[in-house]
Amino acid sequence: GAGVSQSPSNKVTEKGKDVELRCDPISGHTALYWYRQSLGQGLEFLIYFQGNSAPDKSGLPSDRFSAERTGGSVSTLTIQRTQQEDSAVYLCATRTGFNLPLHFGNGTRLTVT
Amino acid sequence: TQLLEQSPQFLSIQEGENLTVYCNSSSVFSSLQWYRQEPGEGPVLLVTVVTGGEVKKLKRLTFQFGDARKDSSLHITAAQPGDTGLYLCAGVRTGNQFYFGTGTSLTVIP
Repeated sequence: GAGVSQSPSNKVTEKGKDVELRCDPISGHTALYWYRQSLGQGLEFLIYFQGNSAPDKSGLPSDRFSAERTGGSVSTLTIQRTQQEDSAVYLCATRTGFNLPLHFGNGTRLTVT
Repeated sequence: TQLLEQSPQFLSIQEGENLTVYCNSSSVFSSLQWYRQEPGEGPVLLVTVVTGGEVKKLKRLTFQFGDARKDSSLHITAAQPGDTGLYLCAGVRTGNQFYFGTGTSLTVIP
């Protein structure tokens, strides 16, 4: 079946503009995570959705970052008033249940000029 | 602040050599996973270790979980160019939260 799909794969935006990044999870995967990865580095947790529960937003770096997940499926990560330090690869991952592995998309490479 | 520190950060070796990557923390995890990531792609799971002291082998890769479930190692025997990539460990707590390490970038030179 299809894997986790992220769009766009690349996004270049000017400082101060808003951007929306999309994640289409694997069908039936109830848990969805957003991570941020700087060049060649480890992953920084941003936000976690589990079913209909309130999301864990503890990793969002500022109030410019927000995310939603509609109908327990597609998720959108929004960054308002982008800054150059927001430049990174944003990865979405999903899984079916506790203690099971994460399935990652190929990420969106965001460049803020 | 990273809960999991990996070493070395960068590693460049000749084909056929052996190597070990370390993943260390002061925190206890219920399980630990290792992922490999290639350029332009998301990380892909290699293995999950659950029990303290557990050793798992995947062909030329050997994974060990520390007795206290705070650290792990990945040993590759006779490295091949196809092993090139970014290796990430991830500690799991409560079944929900994944804490990723700082990453080890491996280059195997033919």
